[in-house]
Amino acid sequence: DVKVTQSSRYLVKRTGEKVFLECVQDMDHENMFWYRQDPGLGLRLIYFSYDVKMKEKGDIPEGYSVSREKKERFSLILESASTNQTSMYLCASRSWKWGDTYYGYTFGSGTRLTVV
Amino acid sequence: SQQGEEDPQALSIQEGENATMNCSYKTSINNLQWYRQNSGRGLVHLILIRSNEREKHSGRLRVTLDTSKKSSSLLITASRAADTASYFCATDEYGNKLVFGAGTILRVKS
Repeated sequence: DVKVTQSSRYLVKRTGEKVFLECVQDMDHENMFWYRQDPGLGLRLIYFSYDVKMKEKGDIPEGYSVSREKKERFSLILESASTNQTSMYLCASRSWKWGDTYYGYTFGSGTRLTVV
Repeated sequence: SQQGEEDPQALSIQEGENATMNCSYKTSINNLQWYRQNSGRGLVHLILIRSNEREKHSGRLRVTLDTSKKSSSLLITASRAADTASYFCATDEYGNKLVFGAGTILRVKS
């Protein structure tokens, strides 16, 4: 089975800290994504990456950056954590093949981040 | 941006009954997907239906897609207590990213 592993289930950080959320997938997937999930708002896309060294802004990139130095790892960085970044963060990956082939996403278990 | 809108927001049924959830969206899509999320966990992919398909089955799941109405439905037949979860539709737009709705909370009572 494809596995997407997020390094922490729960994380508590202080306002102003730089926070790293790590995500690793083991199936050589090209595409990787970071979402945040908040009650009543569903999942919102923060950043995504088509392939290694590539990154694209999603719908809510402000206050975040990402790094994808290796194909299997996609890191989300909160440059200076704020209380409004308290949320559940979900990483996902997907294989991408040219042509008429579409695949579902595989999600990690999520990281619940609390900024105090 | 939130593309899919699920209806109802919450649904409570007895074990053995069928559960139907609906999803509406706004733009053209490559495909539409349904996901399940158990409390506090990541999402699990259930089923994908392409824009040129009208109906798809997977076990106790049946998904329909009406691109003229920009809507989809997910039917879970003979529901079980283990089906209790949140269900999300997600539209795969051109540009290679999924856009999720706010979800339907399903509770199956035993």
